[in-house]
Amino acid sequence: TQLLEQSPQFLSIQEGENLTVYCNSSSVFSSLQWYRQEPGEGPVLLVTVVTGGEVKKLKRLTFQFGDARKDSSLHITAAQPGDTGLYLCAGEGGSYIPTFGRGTSLIVHP
Amino acid sequence: SAVISQKPSRDICQRGTSLTIQCQVDSQVTMMFWYRQQPGQSLTLIATANQGSEATYESGFVIDKFPISRPNLTFSTLTVSNMSPEDSSIYLCSVRVRGLKTQYFGPGTRLLVL
Repeated sequence: TQLLEQSPQFLSIQEGENLTVYCNSSSVFSSLQWYRQEPGEGPVLLVTVVTGGEVKKLKRLTFQFGDARKDSSLHITAAQPGDTGLYLCAGEGGSYIPTFGRGTSLIVHP
Repeated sequence: SAVISQKPSRDICQRGTSLTIQCQVDSQVTMMFWYRQQPGQSLTLIATANQGSEATYESGFVIDKFPISRPNLTFSTLTVSNMSPEDSSIYLCSVRVRGLKTQYFGPGTRLLVL
């Protein structure tokens, strides 16, 4: 069974601060996805990374896939209240069923 | 990508009753899944819905409690049977689009069992 450790579990920050969320595993993943889920909604896909060392940017969000494809990070620059939500990472290995991290609940205060 | 709709979006049910949740996708997808999400928690996979055959259930979930149908490539239902307050949760339909390394999620069904 592949496990994906996500940290921190909770983050409460002020608008304008930077933050990083981590997903780590001892297993190698063929791809890794990051989702954001707002209250009352389903998870929405932010990005998929597939290549070791890959970096993708989505406005103020920067996603990185580890060189060994065992870990990933999400960095948010100058967080805004609209970034509030539950961030989930999900890694895919040999099967088509992803392993989800426990999620990081982010609150950005104005 | 895929546009997924779920019905109902939310419901309040009495203990001992059953609720059927519908999931409709706007395109043909290879795989459909049902997840459960406790408030503020991550996702737990209930089962993979297989077209024309019995669903594949994860450990801890059984067909008698969570019967699933998938009559075609774009539609599936999940029934939560003989509900108890412990079944209060968000139930999410998810699909995998052909050729993409990604799953997409529906908006979820919020269930409260009294």
